[in-house]
Amino acid sequence: KNQVEQSPQSLIILEGKNCTLQCNYTVSPFSNLRWYKQDTGRGPVSLTIMTFSENTKSNGRYTATLDADTKQSSLHITASQLSDSASYICVVSRGPYSSASKIIFGSGTRLSIRP
Amino acid sequence: NAGVTQTPKFQVLKTGQSMTLQCAQDMNHEYMSWYRQDPGMGLRLIHYSVGAGITDQGEVPNGYNVSRSTTEDFPLRLLSAAPSQTSVYFCASSGITRGSLIYEQYFGPGTRLTVT
Repeated sequence: KNQVEQSPQSLIILEGKNCTLQCNYTVSPFSNLRWYKQDTGRGPVSLTIMTFSENTKSNGRYTATLDADTKQSSLHITASQLSDSASYICVVSRGPYSSASKIIFGSGTRLSIRP
Repeated sequence: NAGVTQTPKFQVLKTGQSMTLQCAQDMNHEYMSWYRQDPGMGLRLIHYSVGAGITDQGEVPNGYNVSRSTTEDFPLRLLSAAPSQTSVYFCASSGITRGSLIYEQYFGPGTRLTVT
């Protein structure tokens, strides 16, 4: 069964600290993996997209890694800010084309940054 | 360039009422889709469209209808609202990003629907 599982379900850290969010998937065939940030009351916004051949990608203080062999991805946030408080969603697309019917969403990690 | 717009932002319906959630995009994307988001669950695909005049069912299509008469608009109709349809609804459009072969998906701000 094609699934995307994220951990932890929720996380609270102090402002300025680093954190890492995990994503494990069983989607096959794999096309690409995305991390989205969803602020409360808003739609998800893409942070990074990685294909099979990419194992790391950065977007400012966000760095995503991908291990296609173990089917694991992580999102590392450096020097967290209050504005990082949001849900982070891991999304995996089945190949070869990323049509809507072949996109599997994780349930997200809710991150809270405390001052 | 407004991206993906959705109206209304909030809606309360009584059981049995019908309504249409509006979605529009100005990026000339062929792919559009509707999702619902419930607490503790990932976004679930309701219906999607690969172009004007073409629609198909997603994972949870029952109780919803869609049509795609133009590239820009993709309305979602609730035929007879039920409490189980209380959720947040997101419309998305997808297109190939410049310089790559990957479809990028852009989401609207969502419609929060409560059915009593």
